[in-house]
Amino acid sequence: GAGVSQSPSNKVTEKGKDVELRCDPISGHTALYWYRQSLGQGLEFLIYFQGNSAPDKSGLPSDRFSAERTGGSVSTLTIQRTQQEDSAVYLCASSFLSESGILFFGSGTQLSVL
Amino acid sequence: GESVGLHLPTLSVQEGDNSIINCAYSNSASDYFIWYKQESGKGPQFIIDIRSNMDKRQGQRVTVLLNKTVKHLSLQIAATQPGDSAVYFCAEANAGGTSYGKLTFGQGTILTVHP
Repeated sequence: GAGVSQSPSNKVTEKGKDVELRCDPISGHTALYWYRQSLGQGLEFLIYFQGNSAPDKSGLPSDRFSAERTGGSVSTLTIQRTQQEDSAVYLCASSFLSESGILFFGSGTQLSVL
Repeated sequence: GESVGLHLPTLSVQEGDNSIINCAYSNSASDYFIWYKQESGKGPQFIIDIRSNMDKRQGQRVTVLLNKTVKHLSLQIAATQPGDSAVYFCAEANAGGTSYGKLTFGQGTILTVHP
């Protein structure tokens, strides 16, 4: 597709369950980002991948959060033992150059933890 | 970072008017600034960016002004249209980070354009 694709668009889970969120970046974009958007905290950076370099995980809020990017393309964000405070919209973005702040965002995954 | 409460600043304008959205940034080390627009149910969309060695940059119907002395950024939208209704975010980054895509976002401003 032409844009960043995220799935699922909505996810409802029970507290304590694990969830996986998927992101398909724009073809050819070497940089991939995960952000979280919530009412209480606004838009927060989570993690950044650039090519084969080690990811910048400095924004991950706890060790329950992890992400991987396979083959330099698709990325999966995993949240283990979900908590209610994890409820938010998780946004993935990609860019052609890491030197650019011009990110192309997907529509996000709305995560609700009951 | 900045926290976002339930009550975002709002700006309400008539179609055809000019709009000015303001943003105060916090990090004096930031050297890159960017504006995004977010419509309901969608991810943020790039509008315009500016580096700290500039104080003004113009795009199509939009102008960004940067005042580093008071750490203030503004977005001007000329001849505002109903399709401009959205939440507008400013964001900042710095060269000391790993990437200019590692952005610190402001709280957002809701712009409503009345026909």
